[in-house]
Amino acid sequence: QKEVEQNSGPLSVPEGAIASLNCTYSDRGSQSFFWYRQYSGKSPELIMSIYSNGDKEDGRFTAQLNKASQYVSLLIRDSQPSDSATYLCAVNMRNAGGTSYGKLTFGQGTILTVHP
Amino acid sequence: DAGVIQSPRHEVTEMGQEVTLRCKPISGHDYLFWYRQTMMRGLELLIYFNNNVPIDDSGMPEDRFSAKMPNASFSTLKIQPSEPRDSAVYFCASSESSGASYEQYFGPGTRLTVT
Repeated sequence: QKEVEQNSGPLSVPEGAIASLNCTYSDRGSQSFFWYRQYSGKSPELIMSIYSNGDKEDGRFTAQLNKASQYVSLLIRDSQPSDSATYLCAVNMRNAGGTSYGKLTFGQGTILTVHP
Repeated sequence: DAGVIQSPRHEVTEMGQEVTLRCKPISGHDYLFWYRQTMMRGLELLIYFNNNVPIDDSGMPEDRFSAKMPNASFSTLKIQPSEPRDSAVYFCASSESSGASYEQYFGPGTRLTVT
């Protein structure tokens, strides 16, 4: 089982729709969760961080975290063609001693295409 | 803030040559990470440093790869000798541990082509 797994893509949604991106992780003790957006030919860009159960909203983006289910998601409302990119889920996991590694474990990414 | 700075942005070299990639992390960040990204393998962590000390280099593909961080504001990733299969985009990222957020910020990357 992969440590961080994202729903397989590609995901295609029409302009104006809600895009839903999902991610599960294996370490129940993980505390920090991130979503990165990567445009083709560019570097990953941090767009959302979430640390507590529940929802966190930032503009058209909402991150949802459910630690009991080891699940984190990203919702993009009113999707725009400019949202077309690869979205990477990242988790800060613990080492064998139970403390944070300091590093992030990334999922394989989900390609999102928003068509006009 | 200038963000993470990497140089060069593009590098084309011949097989067998030495390649040196450079990174300047965000000031005040105490973690530095080197990644490699290819279509086939995705984003791979090669090595990371905390307070200039290498913590985990288990992602370094083989002895041809080496990384150093002589001070808090500079790191290098060296490949010697380079091979065509090393062709990839290499990213440097940095983060700070205060507050335990571990948000990582990536540089623009170096696109390496080995012919």
